[in-house]
Amino acid sequence: QKEVEQNSGPLSVPEGAIASLNCTYSDRGSQSFFWYRQYSGKSPELIMFIYSNGDKEDGRFTAQLNKASQYVSLLIRDSQPSDSATYLCAVNKDNQGGKLIFGQGTELSVKP
Amino acid sequence: KAGVTQTPRYLIKTRGQQVTLSCSPISGHRSVSWYQQTPGQGLQFLFEYFSETQRNKGNFPGRFSGRQFSNSRSEMNVSTLELGDSALYLCASSSTGGKSGELFFGEGSRLTVL
Repeated sequence: QKEVEQNSGPLSVPEGAIASLNCTYSDRGSQSFFWYRQYSGKSPELIMFIYSNGDKEDGRFTAQLNKASQYVSLLIRDSQPSDSATYLCAVNKDNQGGKLIFGQGTELSVKP
Repeated sequence: KAGVTQTPRYLIKTRGQQVTLSCSPISGHRSVSWYQQTPGQGLQFLFEYFSETQRNKGNFPGRFSGRQFSNSRSEMNVSTLELGDSALYLCASSSTGGKSGELFFGEGSRLTVL
């Protein structure tokens, strides 16, 4: 079992729809959780982080964390073609500084 | 504010050679982490340096090494290159060096081993 698992996709949604990206992790002691976006040929960029159970909203993005179920999700409302990218879920175990465990990423395609 | 700068951006080496990659973090950032990205394995953590000390290390063989200088610039070295070392090597810097996994990535150095 991988430490951080994501559906590889591709996930295809129409423009204006809600895109839902999911991630599970195996280490129950994991402390902090991140979503990075990576456009093709570019480096990852941080879009959301969440440390506590519940929801965290930032503009069109909502991160959800359920530590009991070891589940993290990212919702993108009013999806735009510019949101088409690979979304990487990452976990920081034991607050180990810059050491993140990344999932394989979910490729999102938003169709006009 | 300048971002994370990595050099060289592209390089081609042959098996058995060694390579050194350089990373200049965002000004004021003291933590530098290195990652390897391949299509098959995804993003994998190599090591992290904070204030010139290696703070974390991933599960890579000893052929992979790094260091950090007093100005926070970092280098990583791969010796005795193997075909499987072909990858995008990403450097990331962080301001807090503590709880944060809020990393700022450079554009990467793409290494091809022939």
